[in-house]
Order: sequence, then C-alpha cells, then structure tokens
Amino acid sequence: EPEVTQTPSHQVTQMGQEVILRCVPISNHLYFYWYRQILGQKVEFLVSFYNNEISEKSEIFDDQFSVERPDGSNFTLKIRSTKLEDSAMYFCASSETLYEQYFGPGTRLTVT
Amino acid sequence: AQSVTQLDSQVPVFEEAPVELRCNYSSSVSVYLFWYVQYPNQGLQLLLKYLSGSTLVKGINGFEAEFNKSQTSFHLRKPSVHISDTAEYFCAVSPSGGYQKVTFGTGTKLQVIP
Repeated sequence: EPEVTQTPSHQVTQMGQEVILRCVPISNHLYFYWYRQILGQKVEFLVSFYNNEISEKSEIFDDQFSVERPDGSNFTLKIRSTKLEDSAMYFCASSETLYEQYFGPGTRLTVT
Repeated sequence: AQSVTQLDSQVPVFEEAPVELRCNYSSSVSVYLFWYVQYPNQGLQLLLKYLSGSTLVKGINGFEAEFNKSQTSFHLRKPSVHISDTAEYFCAVSPSGGYQKVTFGTGTKLQVIP
C-alpha cells in the first residue's frame, strides 16, 4: 500500500539554524499539508499546498516557515531560524481527493 | 472556523470490554469528520471517516462511529477492545468540499488493561 514517507525521523538542531524537513507524498496525490504536534499537545495545521502554491496557512506559519515542491516527488518544509518553541513532531500529509489525508510517520525536531 | 472537543483525556478499559470515545464538534459550515489513531512513536492512521450518507460509519480494526448532527457528535465505539488498541485517538473535522485544514481534538488515550 502506498504511504507518505518523511526524512529524517529525528533532527536535532541548534537555535537559530535553518532546517529542512522532507516528505515524499503518495505519487498520485495533488494536495499536500504540513502539521505539527508539540509534545503533549494536539496536532495543529500549518499549511496546505496545491498546484505549486500555498492554498491555506495558519497563524503559526509565519515568515520563518516556507514550503516547496522542488521536483515531482518531494515536498519540503523549511524553518529559517529555529527557536526552542519549534521543537515538535512535524507531520506531512497528502491527499488525492479533497477529504482524506494520509499522514507520514513524522519528523521529530529538537531545537537546543 | 471549526473546533473539536474530546472531553476524556484518558480512558482505561479492560480487555474485551466495550469502549466509547466521545467527540463533539462545532462548525458554522458542513463538515467531514474523522477519527485517527496514533500508536506510540508512530504517525497518524485514519480509522474512519464520515463524508455524507449513512450516519453509522465502520472503520478498520472493528471500530465504528456514529454521526449525530443534532448533538454535533461523532463518538467512536468498539464492542470488544484488544490490548493492541492501546493508543491515542484523535477526532478531527474539516470543512466539506475543500482541501482546507483538518482541525484536531486534543486526543483521548485509550489504555486497555489485561
């Protein structure tokens, strides 16, 4: 069964550094998403992406964040200057239709 | 905007007993409803979804949920739980017809006791 994959599974970075989290969505999917889950808290929507542009973003998704689909298979989330409070599990999701999102296993980001 | 309330943060239940995990939502527009499960150190797996039609939805692993529009609820049930059902369960909602964000509840940790 096709699945969303994410790399790395765990990323440790120092405050102020840039990180890029990578996702490979399911191949025929057209809609892509990033969510995050701070430890002990609920999953929060960050951004949705369709047709090579952001279709919706949350208030969390400020100027330090960006997303890109650099080629036909990858979908990335860049955090430009990481802060301690960016430490979280980041989930990528993709969907073929408008109402069923498939989630990846997540990347745990630890900012020290 | 949508919101989801899961009143029970933890639910302990003995193996082979039935369980109900409660979910209530709020929305000014029509919604799709979902239940996701998260096993320890893993991602989110879709258990079941309600899009339209029959209000009783069956999902994987023997779970089912019933959409009640008047009570704005979407409770998850299983008639007999197994140890392997120990996980965190998230109720979620999204506006119908759109690719917009999914809003999650705070989750309910189901602890199945042998």
